[in-house]
Amino acid sequence: GEDVEQSLFLSVREGDSSVINCTYTDSSSTYLYWYKQEPGAGLQLLTYIFSNMDMKQDQRLTVLLNKKDKHLSLRIADTQTGDSAIYFCAEDTGRRALTFGSGTRLQVQP
Amino acid sequence: GEEVAQTPKHLVRGEGQKAKLYCAPIKGHSYVFWYQQVLKNEFKFLISFQNENVFDETGMPKERFSAKCLPNSPCSLEIQATKLEDSAVYFCASSQKGATNEKLFFGSGTQLSVL
Repeated sequence: GEDVEQSLFLSVREGDSSVINCTYTDSSSTYLYWYKQEPGAGLQLLTYIFSNMDMKQDQRLTVLLNKKDKHLSLRIADTQTGDSAIYFCAEDTGRRALTFGSGTRLQVQP
Repeated sequence: GEEVAQTPKHLVRGEGQKAKLYCAPIKGHSYVFWYQQVLKNEFKFLISFQNENVFDETGMPKERFSAKCLPNSPCSLEIQATKLEDSAVYFCASSQKGATNEKLFFGSGTQLSVL
């Protein structure tokens, strides 16, 4: 079955790195995504990783994938107050419909 | 348009009333997806369309929920006889070809409150 889990809350200081973790259960996932949701807004795609990769870097964002443990993480370097939001990981098992985690609320303190 | 447009932004209905939500996908996008976000932040996939055809409806509740995407009209999601548990934010997303690695563009959602 499909189940994606995330920790609920993370608090960091401005300038520190943030690491948001996600575990999933469906080994047939082809793509895994990180989305950002700000209050009252829709989802913004931050980055994605194909299942045959183990790392992807995009400016301040680094995605690590451990397929054996079904563990996905998002590292945000030099976290800014504007990064405060809810972050969702999501998996696509090929149905073209995403299964989302429950979201991690990132709070960045000045 | 250049963005997924959802209307209305907020919708309040009494229990038992009908609710109808609209979504205009980005021009040229063939695939439309509906998701329901409940209070616990969980996103639940409801239904997807390829043009006016239902592509995947495995997430749609069997009763009370229906959806359409007709040519030259916004897509719609309709809930007959709303219940309290239907209160959620309903997001629509579109993509050009529906490919697995293709970016989904999300609208800003319709918040449905059933009282």
